[in-house]
Amino acid sequence: AQSVTQPDIHITVSEGASLELRCNYSYGATPYLFWYVQSPGQGLQLLLKYFSGDTLVQGIKGFEAEFKRSQSSFNLRKPSVHWSDAAEYFCAVGAGYGNKLVFGAGTILRVKS
Amino acid sequence: GAVVSQHPSWVICKSGTSVKIECRSLDFQATTMFWYRQFPKQSLMLMATSNEGSKATYEQGVEKDKFLINHASLTLSTLTVTSAHPEDSSFYICSASLTENTGELFFGEGSRLTVL
Repeated sequence: AQSVTQPDIHITVSEGASLELRCNYSYGATPYLFWYVQSPGQGLQLLLKYFSGDTLVQGIKGFEAEFKRSQSSFNLRKPSVHWSDAAEYFCAVGAGYGNKLVFGAGTILRVKS
Repeated sequence: GAVVSQHPSWVICKSGTSVKIECRSLDFQATTMFWYRQFPKQSLMLMATSNEGSKATYEQGVEKDKFLINHASLTLSTLTVTSAHPEDSSFYICSASLTENTGELFFGEGSRLTVL
C-alpha cells in the first residue's frame, strides 16, 4: 500500500522568499503524484500532478515540483512566495487511473510580511 | 471543466438524527467517487470508494451501517450519516475521477457537519 510523508507540519517564510515543501512517498510501482492546496474551511485545489515524462512539472500559481525516483520524493517549490500562498498543502499519491489517493499529513504555510 | 459540487456546504443537526450529503459531478460522468473525512488540523482520510450501480467499498475501521453511501447515477453519490453523534462532526469531502485515463481526482468544496 502506498503512503506519504510530509516531514514539516508548519513552515514560515517571508514574503518574496523561496519555498520548498517536502514530500516523500512509498509505493512499489511508478506513482501518480499530486500536490493540493487547501484554504481554511475550503475544499482542495490541485496545484500540479505527475504521471510520467518530464520529472519537473509546472503547476498553477507559479508552483513547480520535481519527481526524484531515487529519493522517492516529490518536493514542491516556488521561487517567490506571496502572502496569498498562506494555506495548507497536501501531497498525495495514487496507484493509477481513478484510484483512491493517499494523503500526507499536510504542511501549513505561513507567510510573514 | 471537471467540477464537483457538494451540498450542503455546512449542516448542524441534533444528536441521533441522520444527515445526507450530496456529491455531484456537474460536467462529467464519474463512475467512481471517493469520500474523505477530515478532522480539524488533520489530513484527509479515505472513508469509502463509491462505484456507480454497486455497493461501496469501505476502508478498514469505517462503519458501513453508520455511513451509508449510494451512487445511483453517474453524476451523483450521497453519503448519509445515520444516527449522528458529536464525534461524527467533521469536514466531509468527496472526489470524482474522470472516465478518461488521467488518474486525476477532482474534489468538491466539502461539507462541514456539526452534531450538537
